Amino acid sequence: AQSVAQPEDQVNVAEGNPLTVKCTYSVSGNPYLFWYVQYPNRGLQFLLKYITGDNLVKGSYGFEAEFNKSQTSFHLKKPSALVSDSALYFCAVKGRIGNTGKLIFGQGTTLQVKP
Amino acid sequence: DAGVTQSPTHLIKTRGQQVTLRCSPKSGHDTVSWYQQALGQGPQFIFQYYEEEERQRGNFPDRFSGHQFPNYSSELNVNALLLGDSALYLCASSNIQEGQYNQPQHFGDGTRLSIL
Repeated sequence: AQSVAQPEDQVNVAEGNPLTVKCTYSVSGNPYLFWYVQYPNRGLQFLLKYITGDNLVKGSYGFEAEFNKSQTSFHLKKPSALVSDSALYFCAVKGRIGNTGKLIFGQGTTLQVKP
Repeated sequence: DAGVTQSPTHLIKTRGQQVTLRCSPKSGHDTVSWYQQALGQGPQFIFQYYEEEERQRGNFPDRFSGHQFPNYSSELNVNALLLGDSALYLCASSNIQEGQYNQPQHFGDGTRLSIL
């Protein structure tokens, strides 16, 4: 079965420190990989995606993600966290073959950045 | 440029009733997907519509049905509501012509459905 795992329900970091939000996936083939962020009472906002090429992907708001094919991971990173980064983060994958639109999401990780 | 808009924002129903949720895609988008996000969970794919037809469906019962109109807007219908249908329902849009397989979907703010 295809699945996405975000092993941490919550990540706490101090403002200015680097942050990492972990994601691993179990999807056949070479799926497309995405990160979305959700603020309270809002929909999901796209942060970044991995399609092919460089394993380090840069996205919105200073976020980046590192793709590791052998570990089937796609961890979200940011060199210096801001209090305003506090939100719910979702990793998602989409299969390349025979899939027109279905995104499979992880259960989400709450990021708490403290001043 | 308006993004994805959904209506209503909140809705309260009782068990056994039927509900219709509405979605207007982002300008220039022609494909609409619906997701159910239960409290504390990630979104679960319900189905996707393109050219007024259901193209792909997730693991949801037939009580969940949809429709897409010629202007690309979409409706999600749920019959015989159960307590477990309480969730945030998200609509996402994209564009088939722009290499949709690697294109991020744009999400609306959702409809919060509560079943009493």
